[in-house]
Amino acid sequence: DGGITQSPKYLFRKEGQNVTLSCEQNLNHDAMYWYRQDPGQGLRLIYYSQIVNDFQKGDIAEGYSVSREKKESFPLTVTSAQKNPTAFYLCASSPDGRQPQHFGDGTRLSIL
Amino acid sequence: QKEVEQDPGPLSVPEGAIVSLNCTYSNSAFQYFMWYRQYSRKGPELLMYTYSSGNKEDGRFTAQVDKSSKYISLFIRDSQPSDSATYLCAMIKAAGNKLTFGGGTRVLVKP
Repeated sequence: DGGITQSPKYLFRKEGQNVTLSCEQNLNHDAMYWYRQDPGQGLRLIYYSQIVNDFQKGDIAEGYSVSREKKESFPLTVTSAQKNPTAFYLCASSPDGRQPQHFGDGTRLSIL
Repeated sequence: QKEVEQDPGPLSVPEGAIVSLNCTYSNSAFQYFMWYRQYSRKGPELLMYTYSSGNKEDGRFTAQVDKSSKYISLFIRDSQPSDSATYLCAMIKAAGNKLTFGGGTRVLVKP
């Protein structure tokens, strides 16, 4: 069953702590994306990657970091520099940048 | 001004009614258009994908694109309570590789 798996579903962060959100896809897609969604808001792009070992900043990259060491994996780290990290984080993938994106079911991050 | 505008709603309709949703955009470079449905605490699910002006139908869903007016629409016929969700429009520029989303419209279908 092909799809995108995000884990964990819920995550809590303490002050000054970095946390990493996992995103794995078995769709053999080249492109992967991370979005942030705040209550009642649309999706804002954090980072994206068109190919392994390459990624670009999106519209709100400050306080976040990513890596793309494998085609199927695109983890997102929320660093302590991100002062307002409470949000719903969505990972997506696409065969290439012009095809529709398919989404995982998200990780909800909260501050302790 | 946002590149893609979408009324946030909520849009409340009785079961069986037609739901009419729309988005306007300002940049004529957008060439590929999508509609996503998002249930609470879930990721968006692709409903429709179009890349030319005109209509595209899939079951109870019809997507319309009017590039001359920079306006896209989604119609849901015979609406059901299970259609209650947030609907997001999204689009890609011809030379682009990123989606630009509208803010989403919340729809409530009352039994």
